[in-house]
Amino acid sequence: DQQVKQNSPSLSVQEGRISILNCDYTNSMFDYFLWYKKYPAEGPTFLISISSIKDKNEDGRFTVFLNKSAKHLSLHIVPSQPGDSAVYFCAASAKGGSEKLVFGKGTKLTVNP
Amino acid sequence: DAGVTQSPTHLIKTRGQQVTLRCSPKSGHDTVSWYQQALGQGPQFIFQYYEEEERQRGNFPDRFSGHQFPNYSSELNVNALLLGDSALYLCASSNPYRGSFKDYEQYFGPGTRLTVT
Repeated sequence: DQQVKQNSPSLSVQEGRISILNCDYTNSMFDYFLWYKKYPAEGPTFLISISSIKDKNEDGRFTVFLNKSAKHLSLHIVPSQPGDSAVYFCAASAKGGSEKLVFGKGTKLTVNP
Repeated sequence: DAGVTQSPTHLIKTRGQQVTLRCSPKSGHDTVSWYQQALGQGPQFIFQYYEEEERQRGNFPDRFSGHQFPNYSSELNVNALLLGDSALYLCASSNPYRGSFKDYEQYFGPGTRLTVT
């Protein structure tokens, strides 16, 4: 029973273009969503989060969009840089973020120079 | 400002042995959560500690236990190790329950790579 799904195991984009990573969830109790980036042999690094009371949150090159009716969120990276190459995890939590994080399986992003 | 730290970095144990992993939270955080990440998977929640008590628990057997100390640091203990326990063990800290500055984002340490042979 996978409550958070990242259906694309990998994504390849050209430097300077937009990267769009997608995530779907099934549990309607989730009300806080986060994106993490992970390099090999390191722990996940927090990127950006969004509460269910919003539909968009922006931080520099990173924007997260939330579509509650579709139970879908996406992370946009503009412009993409080679240093963005990593595995990106979508995570969800209930009760405003105090509950456990439920992670997707991740999407490996490769940004080609 | 020190982030989340974990020790040891790597560990090799034999099936049936016991292991203890350690975590110090980010400054200002009082809640520690532990996750297990198997190869090719996302992290799976083990349990969360706040005020020295286990507050939430994931779907892991009783062989997995933990402890939180008054300085908010935490230990994860795994007894009777199985080959399937080989994974990256991640500790995350946050401050979701109290204070005027709540920090819901969980910040992760670098992890402990456990190999069971």
